[in-house]
Amino acid sequence: AQKVTQAQTEISVVEKEDVTLDCVYETRDTTYYLFWYKQPPSGELVFLIRRNSFDEQNEISGRYSWNFQKSTSSFNFTITASQVVDSAVYFCAPYGGSSNTGKLIFGQGTTLQVKP
Amino acid sequence: DAGVIQSPRHEVTEMGQEVTLRCKPISGHNSLFWYRQTMMRGLELLIYFNNNVPIDDSGMPEDRFSAKMPNASFSTLKIQPSEPRDSAVYFCASRKQGNLGEQYFGPGTRLTVT
Repeated sequence: AQKVTQAQTEISVVEKEDVTLDCVYETRDTTYYLFWYKQPPSGELVFLIRRNSFDEQNEISGRYSWNFQKSTSSFNFTITASQVVDSAVYFCAPYGGSSNTGKLIFGQGTTLQVKP
Repeated sequence: DAGVIQSPRHEVTEMGQEVTLRCKPISGHNSLFWYRQTMMRGLELLIYFNNNVPIDDSGMPEDRFSAKMPNASFSTLKIQPSEPRDSAVYFCASRKQGNLGEQYFGPGTRLTVT
């Protein structure tokens, strides 16, 4: 079964600082998928990224980047030059099960507050 | 394109009353998920459907909770009778076949049971 740990409950930074959100997962599967979701104050969860376990290339999307380290079972998320609009709860979520019948395993999330 | 639609957005009811939450998934999506979010327990998966068939309802807290998906464009989550501890935000999400964990969430229904 999959399990995820987001050790940082809350992080507070000042605008323009870089911030990294940690995610450590556990899985017995040899092939698996990892996801990040964002939940802004409005409440609706938004999909950010999906990562396959067989692709360890890091990914960058604008100010967002993800560092996947299979050897340490980590999938960390970095926001560069943070902005107030980045304030949200961020969830790391491994995906368990088959492609059509599996489900996301959400962690407790990390609340990020970006102050102006 | 319209996203996942949930109704009502807010519901306040008295203990013992029946509550029905509604969800319309994104057209063309074949999987539908019901989640509950509270401060204490975080985000919990209650039940999910694949092609209108319930696949996993192990997260449904007790018999007071039931969910149906009569067709590809509509699902309900019913609580009968409701209790104060059911107060939470209930999210519905849908997914297109083959997209694994890429789910699209609705805005949620904030339920308060007094």
